[in-house]
Amino acid sequence: ETGVTQTPRHLVMGMTNKKSLKCEQHLGHNAMYWYKQSAKKPLELMFVYSLEERVENNSVPSRFSPECPNSSHLFLHLHTLQPEDSALYLCASSRGAEDSYEQYFGPGTRLTVT
Amino acid sequence: TQLLEQSPQFLSIQEGENLTVYCNSSSVFSSLQWYRQEPGEGPVLLVTVVTGGEVKKLKRLTFQFGDARKDSSLHITAAQPGDTGLYLCAGVRPGETSGSRLTFGEGTQLTVNP
Repeated sequence: ETGVTQTPRHLVMGMTNKKSLKCEQHLGHNAMYWYKQSAKKPLELMFVYSLEERVENNSVPSRFSPECPNSSHLFLHLHTLQPEDSALYLCASSRGAEDSYEQYFGPGTRLTVT
Repeated sequence: TQLLEQSPQFLSIQEGENLTVYCNSSSVFSSLQWYRQEPGEGPVLLVTVVTGGEVKKLKRLTFQFGDARKDSSLHITAAQPGDTGLYLCAGVRPGETSGSRLTFGEGTQLTVNP
């Protein structure tokens, strides 16, 4: 138990669906991250939030829309996804985006787009 | 071009054997982290190495940061089935002040057979 929870753990959606992934951290951290993990590829950083403000967007397609209502919660809204978006989506948090490189990961959401 | 190369990609050994996995780059990193990811879970931080030539031990795991801070190794002594998992290295590039600047390798998938 790392102190970072993600729901749902598994999600199957069609290309026309709209769904959201949720992440919650109980560590009192100020920075939160979304990563994509695909088979045989390194972890890809998608978004970074620091104190609820987005500080980085790594050229992610607009069909992925993040939301950070407070420092403990992070969402990833999904719409009109493609089959190649199927992957494990990991949320992470750290003490700060500036002064801590040690990230704590949630268990991930396994997403399948049909 | 992959910034961090991990080798081998896959390793299957018997319980009790020793093994070493490598993380190499042509770039210098200010620090490097090792994570282990078990099936169905997110990566869990094992260690952070900061100083060139640094050696850290975590029970049967020995981590070394290269003198030039371009590479790192993880040695496991007397491997056990519980060591099975995906081992990821992640580096922080010099000059980056943000914790979002972690670069991950593709990982080494280790299987320890009883």
